[in-house]
Amino acid sequence: GESVGLHLPTLSVQEGDNSIINCAYSNSASDYFIWYKQESGKGPQFIIDIRSNMDKRQGQRVTVLLNKTVKHLSLQIAATQPGDSAVYFCAENAGRGNKLVFGAGTILRVKS
Amino acid sequence: NAGVTQTPKFQVLKTGQSMTLQCAQDMNHEYMSWYRQDPGMGLRLIHYSVGAGITDQGEVPNGYNVSRSTTEDFPLRLLSAAPSQTSVYFCASSWGSGSGVETQYFGPGTRLLVL
Repeated sequence: GESVGLHLPTLSVQEGDNSIINCAYSNSASDYFIWYKQESGKGPQFIIDIRSNMDKRQGQRVTVLLNKTVKHLSLQIAATQPGDSAVYFCAENAGRGNKLVFGAGTILRVKS
Repeated sequence: NAGVTQTPKFQVLKTGQSMTLQCAQDMNHEYMSWYRQDPGMGLRLIHYSVGAGITDQGEVPNGYNVSRSTTEDFPLRLLSAAPSQTSVYFCASSWGSGSGVETQYFGPGTRLLVL
């Protein structure tokens, strides 16, 4: 399910390393998942999406993996850069049109 | 295209005041929605619209009204502001009429403080 609270999990990585951000979703009926990036003071920005009939999808420097058996989603960022520092949200579509349910987010900090 | 625009960027209200948060998109998107984001939490859906003249409630609709008279605009009204409505409000839009799932694009947000 979603984690709720004031203290978001934080992932600190060295510039150039790969990052893996994890997300557990709650609804086994969800058939569409999205990763968003949110920089300080800005709105969420679409990164990559995946439908439930896939288990992997690749974009530019990013890969999303979906494990429906354990209801787990991950975002892999290759060669992490300082500009990747942000809060990352996963969102699931619970099967009712375009309505998304968001997770609480993970802070990614990239050290130079 | 300007994408999704929101005004104002910041607003301070006193308890009991009313106001309207504006949202507009120039992408001819059918689907528009409003979310609120509280510290350390993900976004929660307030209201959404699958097309002009059609609106519906999301997860946290109490204290808010919406209308959709045009495809482009989707204003959010706070009827009588309360401190619990202090939050950052995001508007989003996407293709599709709501029967399927399409990528949603977000505006820059409105920061609201209710004293």
